[in-house]
Amino acid sequence: DQQVKQNSPSLSVQEGRISILNCDYTNSMFDYFLWYKKYPAEGPTFLISISSIKDKNEDGRFTVFLNKSAKHLSLHIVPSQPGDSAVYFCAARASNTGNQFYFGTGTSLTVIP
Amino acid sequence: GAVVSQHPSWVICKSGTSVKIECRSLDFQATTMFWYRQFPKQSLMLMATSNEGSKATYEQGVEKDKFLINHASLTLSTLTVTSAHPEDSSFYICSAILAGGSDTQYFGPGTRLTVL
Repeated sequence: DQQVKQNSPSLSVQEGRISILNCDYTNSMFDYFLWYKKYPAEGPTFLISISSIKDKNEDGRFTVFLNKSAKHLSLHIVPSQPGDSAVYFCAARASNTGNQFYFGTGTSLTVIP
Repeated sequence: GAVVSQHPSWVICKSGTSVKIECRSLDFQATTMFWYRQFPKQSLMLMATSNEGSKATYEQGVEKDKFLINHASLTLSTLTVTSAHPEDSSFYICSAILAGGSDTQYFGPGTRLTVL
């Protein structure tokens, strides 16, 4: 059972425009969320996180929004750059279950120059 | 900081042999490390949680006797795939959490295992 879902396997955006990557989850106990970026044949790189006490967290060009009632989070990248082209994974954790994170299936972002 | 390395990065072996993959935290101590497996176009699947000085905790469906995990020190965890078969071919990734730090996991670059 996929508790974290990324329904868009791929996304293409023009350079300079906004990229919006979406993630939905089913477990209402999830209280900590992260976004990772992954290049082919490399391990994921941490991008940004958000806890359930917040609805927004911003770090430079990256902003994560959390809508707890909808069990939905999104990652906004603005402005998008060609170097942002990668696979983006969202991950979620319920604190009362320890350190296990559940990952989505990823969204492949292509930023077109 | 917070660099995690894996060795080897790519290994090809014959069916029936055993393969050891190392995961090292280079500039920090990690009391907890995680081993993931990723199939093509699929998400990272947690295999086990490795705790320094104690037995690993395996996720449901992961064979303990096939995937041996040893976390001998605060900077090293190893995954040994015993009697590997072609269906074990995959991309294996480890991650580590800073001892006493946040919950952010720092990932290694991954190891691609191909079993012939």
